[in-house]
Amino acid sequence: AQKVTQAQTEISVVEKEDVTLDCVYETRDTTYYLFWYKQPPSGELVFLIRRNSFDEQNEISGRYSWNFQKSTSSFNFTITASQVVDSAVYFCALVDANRDDKIIFGKGTRLHILP
Amino acid sequence: EPEVTQTPSHQVTQMGQEVILRCVPISNHLYFYWYRQILGQKVEFLVSFYNNEISEKSEIFDDQFSVERPDGSNFTLKIRSTKLEDSAMYFCASSETGGGILGEQFFGPGTRLTVL
Repeated sequence: AQKVTQAQTEISVVEKEDVTLDCVYETRDTTYYLFWYKQPPSGELVFLIRRNSFDEQNEISGRYSWNFQKSTSSFNFTITASQVVDSAVYFCALVDANRDDKIIFGKGTRLHILP
Repeated sequence: EPEVTQTPSHQVTQMGQEVILRCVPISNHLYFYWYRQILGQKVEFLVSFYNNEISEKSEIFDDQFSVERPDGSNFTLKIRSTKLEDSAMYFCASSETGGGILGEQFFGPGTRLTVL
């Protein structure tokens, strides 16, 4: 079965602190894609990253970085030097490429960055 | 940059009424999707659509729901007789190719449906 677990329901940190959002996934397929989306208070879904199952290289984009560990089925997201504008709900998601193309979302982590 | 658009941004309706949510996918995309997000919960897949037919649907997508691509540009979601529990944000998405390999799904801004 496909499943995405985001164990952290809500996190609060003070601005400029680093914060890591955890994501653990389950799938029987060997070919899959993992995603992170940001949902600000305005409600839209903002695509942040897509990573395929064959590429375990970590990725950095500005203050954002992602750590993909196939051995632990985890795809964690770190925000360095957090800013108030980072306050949002963050969703981790999975697509099994060989099965179908529906996106399976985790329940999300609500991140509060306190000034 | 091309984007998926959705109208209206907010729809308020009475229970039992029919609603049609509209989406304009990115023009060269062939695969279309609807997702739903009940307030405070996760985003859930409803249906995928390709070549003028449903490819897959979730158990949420019962007989009250239907989708259509009436004119080659719009992609609509109809709820025949709305229930209170249909209140949610509905997201449309489209992709150029199906499957996760190449088909990154681009999401619209969502329509917030409120059923009274």
